[in-house]
Amino acid sequence: KAGVTQTPRYLIKTRGQQVTLSCSPISGHRSVSWYQQTPGQGLQFLFEYFSETQRNKGNFPGRFSGRQFSNSRSEMNVSTLELGDSALYLCASSLDAQNEQFFGPGTRLTVL
Amino acid sequence: GEDVEQSLFLSVREGDSSVINCTYTDSSSTYLYWYKQEPGAGLQLLTYIFSNMDMKQDQRLTVLLNKKDKHLSLRIADTQTGDSAIYFCAESKGGGSYIPTFGRGTSLIVHP
Repeated sequence: KAGVTQTPRYLIKTRGQQVTLSCSPISGHRSVSWYQQTPGQGLQFLFEYFSETQRNKGNFPGRFSGRQFSNSRSEMNVSTLELGDSALYLCASSLDAQNEQFFGPGTRLTVL
Repeated sequence: GEDVEQSLFLSVREGDSSVINCTYTDSSSTYLYWYKQEPGAGLQLLTYIFSNMDMKQDQRLTVLLNKKDKHLSLRIADTQTGDSAIYFCAESKGGGSYIPTFGRGTSLIVHP
């Protein structure tokens, strides 16, 4: 069974641009969560989607948004990028949120 | 203070036991987890323990929970160089608040 895949793996953007990251969950998994990992703040929860609906949201500004498609694939978007958005963005999928989460390798975003 | 705290670094000799410690603040935590992150990879769930348990053993891994002191530890027996990674402690409350809160991670360095 294929694991969680995230694309792209690496991304370089400049301040003010916007970016879209993609996550394909394990087949059959309906819950997808997104996390931001930085050296300063550690791992912080962004949001969780289940059956195309956002069920939980972390404490991030509205520049961070996401969506989930009918096939459970998810995208997250960051608009008006800031230097502080440079991070590893991790996606995790599970059958449902209270089940074990399986993480993808992440997308490393660098904002210049 | 932070919700979940861990020391940042631990260095051990190959073959010795490693003990990684974690403290959390929320007494309503229901699930406590240990994740492992290797370089360039996402997080991998190693083990978890329910708050009504004191100990859980899984091969070389032993998890101890002191609920009174809100202290969780992960012991790795016969530590190998392949165990070198970042180890994250996390807690969740279950029910409607199952999104885990992570510690900053402990970098385990295993030297020959």
